[in-house]
Amino acid sequence: GENVEQHPSTLSVQEGDSAVIKCTYSDSASNYFPWYKQELGKRPQLIIDIRSNVGEKKDQRIAVTLNKTAKHFSLHITETQPEDSAVYFCAASRGSNYKLTFGKGTLLTVNP
Amino acid sequence: KAGVTQTPRYLIKTRGQQVTLSCSPISGHRSVSWYQQTPGQGLQFLFEYFSETQRNKGNFPGRFSGRQFSNSRSEMNVSTLELGDSALYLCASSLEAGMNTEAFFGQGTRLTVV
Repeated sequence: GENVEQHPSTLSVQEGDSAVIKCTYSDSASNYFPWYKQELGKRPQLIIDIRSNVGEKKDQRIAVTLNKTAKHFSLHITETQPEDSAVYFCAASRGSNYKLTFGKGTLLTVNP
Repeated sequence: KAGVTQTPRYLIKTRGQQVTLSCSPISGHRSVSWYQQTPGQGLQFLFEYFSETQRNKGNFPGRFSGRQFSNSRSEMNVSTLELGDSALYLCASSLEAGMNTEAFFGQGTRLTVV
């Protein structure tokens, strides 16, 4: 089955810096790659997703890039703010008949 | 519209007991997936139901089971509880099967086994 590796497990940055979280996946047939953000004590929420027919997607300060050949995808957060502090999960899926497999998460801390 | 609702929010059980958790999806969503969240292990997939049918199952023992009703509400049951079952159990609903579109999570049920 699908295996998703996520790095780093913890990341600390200064406010205003950029943060990058990387994930690799094992199943070359995976075609959907969402990112979820979970603030302390709250539920995970989708922040951005990308499908395999696209190499990059941006939404304001966040962007995701996908390299299908290397089977890895990354989350980029620019101009980080303290409210970006949370655990971020990447995930991968082959499609609607398959489960969504999550990475183990990255604890991002943005220091003011 | 109302979000995903999970009940109860907190549970304390003793080893050997069984427990039933409930999840009410967003109105119109027919897919419900369940995940176990523990520190360091992230979100581990338990199972997914779509239109009352289990479509996918994770690598958990048979003590973990679930079902979905005609109104899309779902329950999961854990029998013969073990200390290692202590975790946050999250359910997520989505319009399509497989969480291949945006999935909305509930607040979770925090289960503590003592």
